[in-house]
Amino acid sequence: EDQVTQSPEALRLQEGESSSLNCSYTVSGLRGLFWYRQDPGKGPEFLFTLYSAGEEKEKERLKATLTKKESFLHITAPKPEDSATYLCAVQKGGSYIPTFGRGTSLIVHP
Amino acid sequence: DGGITQSPKYLFRKEGQNVTLSCEQNLNHDAMYWYRQDPGQGLRLIYYSQIVNDFQKGDIAEGYSVSREKKESFPLTVTSAQKNPTAFYLCASSAGSLPYGYTFGSGTRLTVV
Repeated sequence: EDQVTQSPEALRLQEGESSSLNCSYTVSGLRGLFWYRQDPGKGPEFLFTLYSAGEEKEKERLKATLTKKESFLHITAPKPEDSATYLCAVQKGGSYIPTFGRGTSLIVHP
Repeated sequence: DGGITQSPKYLFRKEGQNVTLSCEQNLNHDAMYWYRQDPGQGLRLIYYSQIVNDFQKGDIAEGYSVSREKKESFPLTVTSAQKNPTAFYLCASSAGSLPYGYTFGSGTRLTVV
């Protein structure tokens, strides 16, 4: 069975304290791995798609990386406005539908 | 600006009542999806549609129904057969079957009263 596991479930950081969120997956024939940001009471906002191991993408303070078993979302010098839940999703070959993880809730204290 | 509009933002349902959640997109996307989100759980797929007049059941379709009469619209009906409908419902769209990211709406919070 395809699985997507995100860790930690919750993370508290001080402003400026860099860290990483993890998304591990067990799917065969990865087509794409997605990262989303979700603010409370709102729909998820697309951040990145990664397609193959070794690929990296960046957006402001966020950098996503991908290996054959997991993806990391690195947050450099976070600010309070980076506080949100970050969702990971994986789509395998032959499937139209991605499998979502449960998310990591990030709180950045000023 | 293009996007997805969900309405209403909040909805209250009485026992035994059917309610319909609206989802409209102006992105010219072929595929549309309905997800349910409960606290501490990942997004669970209810129904999806890749083309007008065609849709497929997701993992938790029981107690729900959909229609896709227009490319822009994908309404979800929560029927009285859905015994635990209180949740946050999200509509999404994508450009096709390739691994493009979804565009999500702002969600509808449904509460049973």
